[in-house]
Amino acid sequence: GAVVSQHPSWVICKSGTSVKIECRSLDFQATTMFWYRQFPKQSLMLMATSNEGSKATYEQGVEKDKFLINHASLTLSTLTVTSAHPEDSSFYICSATSTVQNTEAFFGQGTRLTVV
Amino acid sequence: QKEVEQDPGPLSVPEGAIVSLNCTYSNSAFQYFMWYRQYSRKGPELLMYTYSSGNKEDGRFTAQVDKSSKYISLFIRDSQPSDSATYLCAIFGFNKFYFGSGTKLNVKP
Repeated sequence: GAVVSQHPSWVICKSGTSVKIECRSLDFQATTMFWYRQFPKQSLMLMATSNEGSKATYEQGVEKDKFLINHASLTLSTLTVTSAHPEDSSFYICSATSTVQNTEAFFGQGTRLTVV
Repeated sequence: QKEVEQDPGPLSVPEGAIVSLNCTYSNSAFQYFMWYRQYSRKGPELLMYTYSSGNKEDGRFTAQVDKSSKYISLFIRDSQPSDSATYLCAIFGFNKFYFGSGTKLNVKP
């Protein structure tokens, strides 16, 4: 299957700082990238959907000014958690669909964010 | 009503058993169905992808879609300890992916 690379796989940061997470499609062009948050023993919670070159669409309850998403190219999307707080600690996962077939989603490895 | 419902388990079986994982969904218009496997602290990995009704087989894994009852299943034959993971069903529709809550499977050696 197609490969999506997410970096970093884990990060620890201090309260008040910002953290950037990268999501890259390595062997395909991604029309759409999705950002999820996953709490322990729970399913994926969609945060936002981003299409290359346009503004991300955020789900209800997700603060767009706190979770900045940039999808500057067909192979890269970034999520920046701004002014992070301990309650932002979570597992963040991106997924991508290709320009060829947008009904299959491929996931990155996930990023475990811990805010201290 | 949620778009897709999945029994969270956990499900514990002995090695070699046949495992049946199931989801139900709400909208008969859905046509694209997927099963993902997620190991602890990792991103989900696409296992099976099915369009419309019927069965699809890949090695020890069989995905089944019954559109008349809006029911999707994943069968694992000859289950192995390495199959121990959380399995998520997913549906694509209306430009969105809808995920089940995941079933945690433990295959005991």
